[in-house]
Amino acid sequence: GQQVMQIPQYQHVQEGEDFTTYCNSSTTLSNIQWYKQRPGGHPVFLIQLVKSGEVKKQKRLTFQFGEAKKNSSLHITATQTTDVGTYFCAGNGKNAGNNRKLIWGLGTSLAVNP
Amino acid sequence: GAGVSQTPSNKVTEKGKYVELRCDPISGHTALYWYRQSLGQGPEFLIYFQGTGAADDSGLPNDRFFAVRPEGSVSTLKIQRTERGDSAMYLCASSPHSTSGYNEQFFGPGTRLTVL
Repeated sequence: GQQVMQIPQYQHVQEGEDFTTYCNSSTTLSNIQWYKQRPGGHPVFLIQLVKSGEVKKQKRLTFQFGEAKKNSSLHITATQTTDVGTYFCAGNGKNAGNNRKLIWGLGTSLAVNP
Repeated sequence: GAGVSQTPSNKVTEKGKYVELRCDPISGHTALYWYRQSLGQGPEFLIYFQGTGAADDSGLPNDRFFAVRPEGSVSTLKIQRTERGDSAMYLCASSPHSTSGYNEQFFGPGTRLTVL
């Protein structure tokens, strides 16, 4: 079946350092969404990428969707303690038709030392 | 406006009992999703409704799990003969459905189920 892998599973950084998490799908995706889950909270949508090679920025966060639409990355510049949480990627399969079930990665947990 | 709500926020039950978990989606959202999340894991898909019908129930682990959405709004996840392994956070999300694109999912705060 379709799988989405995320690496690393955990990342511990000093405040001010950069952070990157990578998402790799076993199959071509129609889109990729990124969510953030704070400790004790629920996933909150960050962004969606749809086009091959697309790059989007949100302040210190940069999101990329690969040319083959099978991988994606999230890069955070100069991390802050407010960035702490688990970052999930999730996508819809290319041949899913009208089925809107998302295939989720296992997440990357980010810890930031002040 | 109001977000997705879930009740109860916590449910403690004994092994073998029956439980119902409720989800109130954002008004007007036609798509509704149930997930299960264990500590340190990602959301595990259970079932997805488009309107009143289950569009994809491939994630339900076995026939002890059942979900309904009779009027296309509120949904109830029902678990029969609960087992200790059912203990987890049960998350509900809703989304405005689109046949031409993909929309974000809005999550509720979850129901923490503990089976003793």
